Amino acid sequence: DPKIIQKPKYLVAVTGSEKILICEQYLGHNAMYWYRQSAKKPLEFMFSYSYQKLMDNQTASSRFQPQSSKKNHLDLQITALKPDDSATYFCASSQEGLSQNTLYFGAGTRLSVL
Amino acid sequence: AQSVTQPDARVTVSEGASLQLRCKYSYSGTPYLFWYVQYPRQGLQLLLKYYSGDPVVQGVNGFEAEFSKSNSSFHLRKASVHWSDSAVYFCVLSDSNYQLIWGSGTKLIIKP
Repeated sequence: DPKIIQKPKYLVAVTGSEKILICEQYLGHNAMYWYRQSAKKPLEFMFSYSYQKLMDNQTASSRFQPQSSKKNHLDLQITALKPDDSATYFCASSQEGLSQNTLYFGAGTRLSVL
Repeated sequence: AQSVTQPDARVTVSEGASLQLRCKYSYSGTPYLFWYVQYPRQGLQLLLKYYSGDPVVQGVNGFEAEFSKSNSSFHLRKASVHWSDSAVYFCVLSDSNYQLIWGSGTKLIIKP
C-alpha cells in the first residue's frame, strides 16, 4: 500500500483557474516537502515543512501556497494557473532533518494547464 | 557554493553489461550523499546513502556507490544491468543545514 498518497494522479486545468493538490503521508514523519518536475527542470525543490511550520520556500511565486491542516497533510494550492505550471508535482516526507534521513516520495500529480 | 554534477544526461548500456553513472560534488564540509532512482511514471526511491566509514556502500538491487573525497565523486555502479533498471538516477548531496542539492539526473537506457 502506498504510504504517501497524492491526489489526483492527473489534473487538467484552464489558464487562470485554481487547483489544490492533495498529499497525505502515513509514515509518521514530521517533515513534508513539495517538489516539481518538468521538461525544463529535472527536479525542483519548492517547500519544506516541519511540524506543520514552513521551513524553506524556494518558490518565487506567491501563487503557490502550501497548506497543512494536519501533521500528515501538506496540500499545495496553486492560483492563477499558467501553462508554465504544467509539471508533475511530487510530495515527499522524512523524519526530522534531512541530513541523514531518507526522503519518501509519492507517485506525483501530473498537472496540465491549457 | 555547493553543487552536484551528473555529467551524463543519458547513458545506454546493453543488458548484462556493467554500469557506472557519474556524480561529482562540490562541498567544503563532510557530505551526506544519496542516490535516488525514478522508474517510469513513478515517484523517486532511495537506492543508497553514504554518511561516513567504508567508502563503498551497498544499495538495493545490486547497486553500489563509491565515495571519493580526493575526487569529490560518488559514482554509482552495477556489475550486470537488467532491463528493469531503466530509469532516471539522481545523485543528491545534503549539507549541514539539511538542504538537499540535486543533480540533474541521468537517464539509463538498457539495450536488449
